[in-house]
Amino acid sequence: EVQLVESGGGLVQPGGSLRLSCTASGFSFSLYSMNWVRQAPGKGLEWVSYISSSSTPTYYADSVKGRFTISRDNAKNSLYLQMNSLRAEDTAVYYCARDVGIDYWGQGTLVTVSS
Amino acid sequence: QSMLTQPPSASGTPGQRVTISCSGSSSNIESNNVYWYQQLPETAPKLLIYRNNQRPSGVPDRFSGSKSGTSASLAISGLRSEDEADYYCAAWDASLSGVYLFGTGTKVTVL
Repeated sequence: EVQLVESGGGLVQPGGSLRLSCTASGFSFSLYSMNWVRQAPGKGLEWVSYISSSSTPTYYADSVKGRFTISRDNAKNSLYLQMNSLRAEDTAVYYCARDVGIDYWGQGTLVTVSS
Repeated sequence: QSMLTQPPSASGTPGQRVTISCSGSSSNIESNNVYWYQQLPETAPKLLIYRNNQRPSGVPDRFSGSKSGTSASLAISGLRSEDEADYYCAAWDASLSGVYLFGTGTKVTVL
């Protein structure tokens, strides 16, 4: 069974940093590209970032480009999102999601940016 | 970055057929596969349709997808109360250097 479990969310002040993690199981993680998708409270889905199975290429939404960095460790079956210079508008549930055409989603981790 | 356009809401009575549209452009829907997701309240999204019209195992055949030009559609036939959810279309955009565009979302209400 495919499982994606996010962690690392929490409350952070504007301008602060946070690192999200996603641990994958139930499939050959190293063979799949991965994504981060977020959903602000009461809003729709917004794609954040993509990373290929080999870590290159990576893509970012304009709203996070230059502030967020996606990475992965295939030996640890893990996906990461380093978030810097956080803003109030980054407040959302962040989902880890598998493959180019997203087929599996984690349960999400809530990031709240507030003073 | 733009989003794909969906009607904000749709509704029907049990047993009816409901159709949700998704409008894009030549750089996304017309040239790439379309995916559809269902999001029940307070849960993560779930893949409903992939590659325009394919259903993952376990998804009832009441759900069907189609695509024509720069638009796509999701049809729900034999509407059931458990179909009340938010629905999103999605597609990669070839013109924006690697961007996965989601639709604006459609809330389906079963009357």
